[in-house]
Amino acid sequence: DAGITQSPRHKVTETGTPVTLRCHQTENHRYMYWYRQDPGHGLRLIHYSYGVKDTDKGEVSDGYSVSRSKTEDFLLTLESATSSQTSVYFCAISERLYEQYFGPGTRLTVT
Amino acid sequence: EDKVVQSPLSLVVHEGDTVTLNCSYEVTNFRSLLWYKQEKKAPTFLFMLTSSGIEKKSGRLSSILDKKELFSILNITATQTGDSAIYLCAVEQNTGNQFYFGTGTSLTVIP
Repeated sequence: DAGITQSPRHKVTETGTPVTLRCHQTENHRYMYWYRQDPGHGLRLIHYSYGVKDTDKGEVSDGYSVSRSKTEDFLLTLESATSSQTSVYFCAISERLYEQYFGPGTRLTVT
Repeated sequence: EDKVVQSPLSLVVHEGDTVTLNCSYEVTNFRSLLWYKQEKKAPTFLFMLTSSGIEKKSGRLSSILDKKELFSILNITATQTGDSAIYLCAVEQNTGNQFYFGTGTSLTVIP
């Protein structure tokens, strides 16, 4: 398995609180991605990174920010969590011309 | 708008049946099409297709891409209960290394 971990794996938080999810890789891959997965919508891209400090928005980026200060870490922050952000969040990594590998996922519940 | 559409949404078959899953796409700057299998965890990679008409095969699974008609199929022969999963199709763009996912086909194989 590709060396990708996500933390925490499960989190319950209250509306309005900030939340940070961490993705850590040991593969030295250039590209890192954050997706959310919801019933009926499949995987939707939130943000992605194509290098240290280089990030771009995906199709559902509103309410989320990211940071990548090191090759191995990609952080996803919900500045003020809302119930609509209850979801399963997957991190993925890839190198150019190769497939993506996914982390184990984080189940986030916003009450 | 870039999109990936999978059909059928769900499928129930008996062990031993052969199934065909469909993926059509409208994505600018196409680079590759990927198939993933997702059980109760992160998606795992099955195939990457970049050229039309060349079948990729792995055991009872095979896939082919038609770049002219913008679709791919995933075939599973002699299905087993362990094939029960959600099968995801994704298209990778040449620019920005983004991946667009379909909503998936849920396959249930009953004994």
